[in-house]
Amino acid sequence: DAKTTQPTSMDCAEGRAANLPCNHSTISGNEYVYWYRQIHSQGPQYIIHGLKNNETNEMASLIITEDRKSSTLILPHATLRDTAVYYCIVRTIIQGAQKLVFGQGTRLTINP
Amino acid sequence: DTGVSQDPRHKITKRGQNVTFRCDPISEHNRLYWYRQTLGQGPEFLTYFQNEAQLEKSRLLSDRFSAERPKGSFSTLEIQRTEQGDSAMYLCASRHRGDLYSEAFFGQGTRLTVV
Repeated sequence: DAKTTQPTSMDCAEGRAANLPCNHSTISGNEYVYWYRQIHSQGPQYIIHGLKNNETNEMASLIITEDRKSSTLILPHATLRDTAVYYCIVRTIIQGAQKLVFGQGTRLTINP
Repeated sequence: DTGVSQDPRHKITKRGQNVTFRCDPISEHNRLYWYRQTLGQGPEFLTYFQNEAQLEKSRLLSDRFSAERPKGSFSTLEIQRTEQGDSAMYLCASRHRGDLYSEAFFGQGTRLTVV
C-alpha cells in the first residue's frame, strides 16, 4: 500500500472548518483514499473514503486532487468532540487482506 | 450493542505469563483483523481471517503469538511468555463479506500492560 504524509498536529477553533491535508504521491489506480480517526482510548472510527471524485457524508467531505496525489479531509463545523488523531490511508480494493496501513496521523485539537 | 466487542478492556500481567484476548466481530462480518498499537503510534496489522481461515500474518506476529477463529465467529489472540515489549493496545476489527470497499469497524481494544 502507498505511503501517506500528514502533518503531525493541527489546531482549529471550535465552529470553524478543519482542513486536514494528506499527500499520497505514489497512489496507484486501484487504491482508494480512506480516512479514519481515533479519539483517545478508543478504537479507530471510519470517516469517509473516495477514489477520485469528491465525497461528502454526514461527518465530513473529502476532496481529492485531479492527479490523486493528495487529498483534504474537511470537517465543516468542528466541535470539541472532533479532537482526535486523524489517519489518511490508501488501501487497495483488489483481492487479499486489504489491511489498513496506518501512519502516525495528524493530531487535531479543537480549541474552544 | 452490535459493534465489535473486545474482552477484557484492560489486562495487567507479569512477565512470562500467558494471556488471551477475545474479539466478537459484528454479526455476519466474515473478515476479522487484529492490530497492535503502541503509545504514540498508529495501529499495526498483525493478522487477518476470512471466516475461520487465517490468511495473512505480519512479521510482527512472533511464534509467541497465536490467533484463532474457530467456526468463523469470535476470535482469540494468545500471547505466550509475555515480555515487556508486548505492552500495547490490541485492536480487533471486522468487515462485511463481499464488499471490497466496505469500511472496517474497530473494537475498543484490549490494553495489555506487562510488568
